[in-house]
Amino acid sequence: GEDVEQSLFLSVREGDSSVINCTYTDSSSTYLYWYKQEPGAGLQLLTYIFSNMDMKQDQRLTVLLNKKDKHLSLRIADTQTGDSAIYFCAEREQAGTALIFGKGTTLSVSS
Amino acid sequence: DGGITQSPKYLFRKEGQNVTLSCEQNLNHDAMYWYRQDPGQGLRLIYYSQIVNDFQKGDIAEGYSVSREKKESFPLTVTSAQKNPTAFYLCASFRSGGRNSDGYTFGSGTRLTVV
Repeated sequence: GEDVEQSLFLSVREGDSSVINCTYTDSSSTYLYWYKQEPGAGLQLLTYIFSNMDMKQDQRLTVLLNKKDKHLSLRIADTQTGDSAIYFCAEREQAGTALIFGKGTTLSVSS
Repeated sequence: DGGITQSPKYLFRKEGQNVTLSCEQNLNHDAMYWYRQDPGQGLRLIYYSQIVNDFQKGDIAEGYSVSREKKESFPLTVTSAQKNPTAFYLCASFRSGGRNSDGYTFGSGTRLTVV
């Protein structure tokens, strides 16, 4: 079945860039998402990318997609302490099917 | 403002009891989902419903039950058959036919603890 893998932890200093990586196995994945979860809260959609795109930039966030290697990354520029959270990668094959989530990457930002 | 509401925020259950977690949305979304979150496990799909009066099992449906009698509501019952129910439960919704860029809308979660 489908699987989404992420590294579990990332620690950076305030002002540095953070890069969170994700790999997925389903070659028919069409929609890929990044979600952010703060402690004790639900998930907030950060950004998304369609499989026919290589890159998407949205303010401090840059998403890169390597469809050949089934690799997705999220780069956060000028990381702030408020960016400390768990970041989830998720994929879906087509509209109407449920999202498949990775286990989440805990980003810790130190000042 | 439209949104998705989960209640209660914290719930304590004794061994052998059934408990029901509430999820209500006023977004007019067709599809609703229940996920379970455990530390280091990410989100695992319990049940989902794409239309009223219909629902499908997810990856870990054993010990859980749902109903979808109204579009706005998708309650989850954690039965005594669920051996390890202590977890954080998240409900989500999605407008079928909507833009996939919208993603899911999540509730703020219910933390269930067995005492």
